[in-house]
Amino acid sequence: GESVGLHLPTLSVQEGDNSIINCAYSNSASDYFIWYKQESGKGPQFIIDIRSNMDKRQGQRVTVLLNKTVKHLSLQIAATQPGDSAVYFCAEGGGATNKLIFGTGTLLAVQP
Amino acid sequence: GAVVSQHPSRVICKSGTSVKIECRSLDFQATTMFWYRQFPKQSLMLMATSNEGSKATYEQGVEKDKFLINHASLTLSTLTVTSAHPEDSSFYICSARAVVGTYEQYFGPGTRLTVT
Repeated sequence: GESVGLHLPTLSVQEGDNSIINCAYSNSASDYFIWYKQESGKGPQFIIDIRSNMDKRQGQRVTVLLNKTVKHLSLQIAATQPGDSAVYFCAEGGGATNKLIFGTGTLLAVQP
Repeated sequence: GAVVSQHPSRVICKSGTSVKIECRSLDFQATTMFWYRQFPKQSLMLMATSNEGSKATYEQGVEKDKFLINHASLTLSTLTVTSAHPEDSSFYICSARAVVGTYEQYFGPGTRLTVT
């Protein structure tokens, strides 16, 4: 398999603060990127996506930034809430098969 | 809309037996379904890509004879873990794609397999 992480980095934030979760992707030819949220024991939930012809996209309380020069993706969550506590994965897509390759994941822990 | 279900949500089986996991797209037709495996504290690892009516394409290192995938209809794909061993214990997640040529996938809730 690809992109299998052995450890989950953890980001701990206070409720109400902004969170920034980072991801380094591997394939410079990838042209589609997605952020997923996964709660314990559940499947991934779509948060926001961005295509490679953009460098920023905003959703409700979330913003994704893409820096193709350094192959870096970030997810910003404004006014983080306890319900945001989960593991966040970035995924990249590209090529003929349209497969998604998942990054390592980051555990976001929101302290009340 | 775009709901994907999996059944069962949890299954415990004895070593050496086979277990089947179903993945259904409830409100759309899925031309392609994907099967992932996820070990604790790790990322999702793509196992195979399944297109309706054709043989699945397995990722490198995934044994096709051990993980049998059938995609007989546009709303159902099944993963059968044959001769299961404790190391096959994992969280298996399927996803479905509605539109050919897009990246968007809708994920199921996952199936927790425990092999004793």
